[in-house]
Order: sequence, then structure tokens, then C-alpha cells
Amino acid sequence: DADVTQTPRNRITKTGKRIMLECSQTKGHDRMYWYRQDPGLGLRLIYYSFDVKDINKGEISDGYSVSRQAQAKFSLSLESAIPNQTALYFCATSEGPLDRANTEAFFGQGTRLTVV
Amino acid sequence: AQTVTQSQPEMSVQEAETVTLSCTYDTSESDYYLFWYKQPPSRQMILVIRQEAYKQQNATENRFSVNFQKAAKSFSLKISDSQLGDAAMYFCAYRRRDDKIIFGKGTRLHILP
Repeated sequence: DADVTQTPRNRITKTGKRIMLECSQTKGHDRMYWYRQDPGLGLRLIYYSFDVKDINKGEISDGYSVSRQAQAKFSLSLESAIPNQTALYFCATSEGPLDRANTEAFFGQGTRLTVV
Repeated sequence: AQTVTQSQPEMSVQEAETVTLSCTYDTSESDYYLFWYKQPPSRQMILVIRQEAYKQQNATENRFSVNFQKAAKSFSLKISDSQLGDAAMYFCAYRRRDDKIIFGKGTRLHILP
């Protein structure tokens, strides 16, 4: 089983609908992240969380919200989806703090979201 | 604001040859980590190599090595003996002291048989 699991893998939704992307992890990491990938733009940070009570906005948080339901779960919501939110979305986790041995981000398989 | 710049949107290399992907970053921090990730068509993000900023020695993982120039804020990835399986999108990333991880826009690498 994957250490970081995203559901769904693919989703098509209509403009104006509310949609939630879910992420769960078994790595025991405190840090969790949501990124959006678009061609030519790389991965852009939407939100990140360092524990259940600590949520931070990234570069492109407008139109998105998140919930850290538990250490292992971090969900991303689009309250009213619009076509320019069509993208590949990644959840990632990392171990903190910075001076630990494993500092890299571990990624889920990605969710391909299409808003029509 | 910290940024990561990959100036080569696409590159091609002949199989078995060596290729270098460039990455520069902007930071005022002295302690941080740098990474190269590979994203094949499966879209999975795979860590290729990591470099701690406080280490002067360049990291190496088999055919992959980096040239880390801290003063120049440069972090290039060298792939030796390129193989068809190396074809992918490569992302450079920077981890700040506050654990925020920033990515570049990526370089698509083509391997020519």
C-alpha cells in the first residue's frame, strides 16, 4: 500500500460544484502539503499544515480551503469549482523539523481534476 | 521571496551521453535543503537526489550527481550514461527553514535512442 494515498485519482466535475480531494498518510509525518501542477508552471503550493492546529496559505490559496482532520488526513476543497482549476493536484508529506535525516517530500499519486 | 528557477523547459540527450539540468534559487537563508525530483509519464514524483546546504561535498546517487555552488545559488543535476528510462520531467526544489517546500517549473528531458 502507498504511504501517501490520494482519492480520487481522477475526477470530472461541473462548474460551480463543491468538490473535496482527500489525502491520507501512514508515514507519521507532521508536515502535509497540497500542490497544484499545471504545464509550464511546475508545482505551486496551495496550502500546508504542520499539525492539526496549524494551517498556512501557500502561493495560490484563493478558491481553495483545507481541513486537517487528524495528523494522517489533510483534505483540499474547492468550494465552487471553476474551469481554470483544472489541473493535477498532489498531496505531499514531510518529516520535520529541518534537521531530521529525511527532509524530502513524499508524494501521493496525484488527482487529475477536470472542471467543465 | 524564495524562488526556484529552471531555465531550460526542455532538453534532449543521446542515449549513453551525459546531460546537465540547471537550477538556480534565491534565498537569504543559510541552512536549507535542495532536491531534484523526477516525474515520469506515470506522474509519480520520485526523489532523485538531495543536498544539504551546510555540506560542501556534492551529493551523488549512482549515475546522478549535483554541482552545488552555494555562493552562486546554483544546483545543477548531471545524469551520466543516460538511459531511456531517464526520460521524464525533472523538478528542482528548495526546502526552507520553516519547512515550506518550493518547486521550479520543471525541465522535460528527452532521451534519443
